[in-house]
Amino acid sequence: EVQLVESGGGLVQPGGSLRLSCAASGFTFSGFSMNWVRQAPGKGLEWVSSISSGSATIYYADSVKGRFTISRDNAESSLFLQMNSLRDDDTAVYFCARDRRIVAAGTDYYYMDVWGKGTTVTVSS
Amino acid sequence: EIVLTQSPGTLSLSPGERATLSCRASESISSSYLAWYQQKPGQAPRLLIYGASNRATGIPDRFSGSGSGSDFTLTFSRLEPEDYAVYYCQHYAGSPRITFGQGTRLEIK
Repeated sequence: EVQLVESGGGLVQPGGSLRLSCAASGFTFSGFSMNWVRQAPGKGLEWVSSISSGSATIYYADSVKGRFTISRDNAESSLFLQMNSLRDDDTAVYFCARDRRIVAAGTDYYYMDVWGKGTTVTVSS
Repeated sequence: EIVLTQSPGTLSLSPGERATLSCRASESISSSYLAWYQQKPGQAPRLLIYGASNRATGIPDRFSGSGSGSDFTLTFSRLEPEDYAVYYCQHYAGSPRITFGQGTRLEIK
């Protein structure tokens, strides 16, 4: 079964740090780019960061650039998000999601096809 | 940055009715990069539609997507009890430009 399981969330004070993990199973992790997407309480989805299959290409949303670092360990089929200088507005459920880009009949498609259940990060004093 | 605006914010309908959800982009976008997701309370989002009109694996044919340019629609031919959820559209314009709409809540009337 294709599965993503996040962990590492918790309560942290403003200015603190936290490291999230996402364990992948049931597919060849090293073959896919991966994403972190978050959802603040009662709000919609916000893309946070993405990393290519070999870690060569990394992107961040402006809201987290300079504070968060995405990484992966293909040997361990794991994705990580190091979060520093946390702020109240970083409070959210953080999901990892598999990136899919396919070409079918000459057309290029993009979507996120597998999602974890999420891990909750609460930034509060 | 492309902004996706979904409407209505909340839609109240009865089981068996037809439902139409809208996703409007702030400018014309490629339909191949437009996806729809379903999210139930306490659960992860679930891919429904990619490329504006292609159903993901295992998605029943009562769900359909359509549209082009800046206007896209997710349609339910006949609502089932398990369809009540929040629905998001998403656009990919090349990382780091991945955006989601604010969501439409579909609730039982």
